[in-house]
Amino acid sequence: SQTIHQWPATLVQPVGSPLSLECTVEGTSNPNLYWYRQAAGRGLQLLFYSVGIGQISSEVPQNLSASRPQDRQFILSSKKLLLSDSGFYLCAWQSGYNEQFFGPGTRLTVL
Amino acid sequence: GQNIDQPTEMTATEGAIVQINCTYQTSGFNGLFWYQQHAGEAPTFLSYNVLDGLEEKGRFSSFLSRSKGYSYLLLKELQMKDSASYLCAAPSWDSNYQLIWGAGTKLIIKP
Repeated sequence: SQTIHQWPATLVQPVGSPLSLECTVEGTSNPNLYWYRQAAGRGLQLLFYSVGIGQISSEVPQNLSASRPQDRQFILSSKKLLLSDSGFYLCAWQSGYNEQFFGPGTRLTVL
Repeated sequence: GQNIDQPTEMTATEGAIVQINCTYQTSGFNGLFWYQQHAGEAPTFLSYNVLDGLEEKGRFSSFLSRSKGYSYLLLKELQMKDSASYLCAAPSWDSNYQLIWGAGTKLIIKP
């Protein structure tokens, strides 16, 4: 069966510091992968998605970037965090039926 | 653009039945998803409707009317653990790889 891992679970970072969040998927090959952000009490905002190694589509202009160095690894990064980057970051993979399955998420607080 | 609308918040009583509605634009429709999200956790998949009608899974059922652009999630015999946000989502018209998400309905269960 497929599983998706994200780490860390929680993160507190100062403004201006760098960020690296990692997501890995097991039990499937060549998955479509997604990064979402969810502000408190709000819906899901799609940040990036990838349909293959080295391929990244960006949905929202911001100071974040994403990379997919391996088939089942998806990384979200920032060189300098802003206060507005605080939120719940979710990685997901998509099945052939368009269902998306989410990792446990990373709660990021930027102070 | 492609919009999905659902109520922001609903309240129901333990043991009762509640119906959470979701409306969407019908052009290019290709199915509708329901997810459950407990506070502080990632969304989990509940159902996927492609054809008209009601699909039942235990206490939860999901209904779809493609001609009316309307879906609902029906929760029976409500339990306190059903307190969560319920998100509906549909595949994007513009991309095979994206889901368009509603903002979610926060369901509060009272004893």
